[in-house]
Parts: sequence; C-alpha cells; structure tokens
Amino acid sequence: GAGVSQSPSNKVTEKGKDVELRCDPISGHTALYWYRQRLGQGLEFLIYFQGNSAPDKSGLPSDRFSAERTGESVSTLTIQRTQQEDSAVYLCASSFGLGSDTQYFGPGTRLTVL
Amino acid sequence: GESVGLHLPTLSVQEGDNSIINCAYSNSASDYFIWYKQESGKGPQFIIDIRSNMDKRQGQRVTVLLNKTVKHLSLQIAATQPGDSAVYFCAENASGTYKYIFGTGTRLKVLA
Repeated sequence: GAGVSQSPSNKVTEKGKDVELRCDPISGHTALYWYRQRLGQGLEFLIYFQGNSAPDKSGLPSDRFSAERTGESVSTLTIQRTQQEDSAVYLCASSFGLGSDTQYFGPGTRLTVL
Repeated sequence: GESVGLHLPTLSVQEGDNSIINCAYSNSASDYFIWYKQESGKGPQFIIDIRSNMDKRQGQRVTVLLNKTVKHLSLQIAATQPGDSAVYFCAENASGTYKYIFGTGTRLKVLA
C-alpha cells in the first residue's frame, strides 16, 4: 500500500491565523507520531497516538497546539494563533505500534508563518 | 530549496570513497537504533536498524556499528554515490517505550 501521506506540502500563513495539517498513516499502523523539525535541528517529538489509548501530548509546546486522530486513521495537527517561531517542517510518522518497531515518515508539511 | 539542515555538521566525500557518519546516543537504556536518510524536501527514510544484542549489521552498501560501552553508533556507506547526498539521522529507542530520540543529523555531500 501507499506510504504515509501529509497535506498540504507547503503552507504559508499570516501570524495569528490558525492552521490545520493532515496526516494519513500507513493502513494497519496503529501508532502515529507528530514531530516538528526546525531548520538545522533534529526532530522534536510533539504527540503520539496508539490505537484507542489516550494520546501522549507531552511534547506539545503550548496550548495553541492540539491534535486529533480518528480511530486508527487520519490525524490532524492544529496550531491556533500561529507565531513566527512555529515556522518549521511538521512530520508525521506511523508504525505497527508493537513497541520498538520502525517508524515510517511522511514527506512533511513546511509551515511558514509571516 | 532546502527544507532542513542548513547549519548541520557536514561531511564531504569524493564519489566512490567510503563514508562514515557518527552518532553519540544519550540513553544507556536504549536498545534499538535506526539510521534515517533525509533528502531535501522529503521525510526521513529508513536505511538500516540494529538491536543492542548485535554490534554490527550489514545492508546493501551500508553497515551500522554499535558500541554500547561508549554509546556510539556509526553508519558506513561503501562506494559513496551522488544519490547518497542527504542528511543522515540516528534514532534511539528503549524497549517497551514508544518514544524515539533523534540526533541532530549530519549532512553528507558527495563530490564528483
């Protein structure tokens, strides 16, 4: 089947606007991760979904960030009242969720806040 | 244009030479390690993994070495090709946990 897909690929928004980013994981993958990648830096964990369990939101940087997941499928990451420091690539990954197993990444959404 | 990694450590190698990319991992409890390759404008792509019960694992043109004593991981690429140019990340994970810790990355530039 297809890999992890994300949309949009690029998003330019004005400071103060809300944005919504979408991730479609690989079919059958119960685990889904969101990461943020700032220019020149590594991946910063944001949130983790596993099946119907409560998500681990410990990586969300502020209450402006939230994420939802419908069952074991699509996830959306929402950033409210965007700030310039939110500019980054937002990556989604999925895995079978059986513990230490390989995460497969989507192409990312590049967010630019003007 | 570049989406990530403009200020990363850079390794430049001649086409055809071998490349060695290093990573120091942070958690002594980590027992699963992955190397990812990230080309400009794309998400990280799995290259090779290794578990802590091994100290070496080979793939096609790539070898990962693990030294648990000094918490060091390396990726060796044989006969480096222009298509190998990318940013390479290591990631570590401890069994029973779902969180991965990612290194900052190293940019590999292959010179013709």
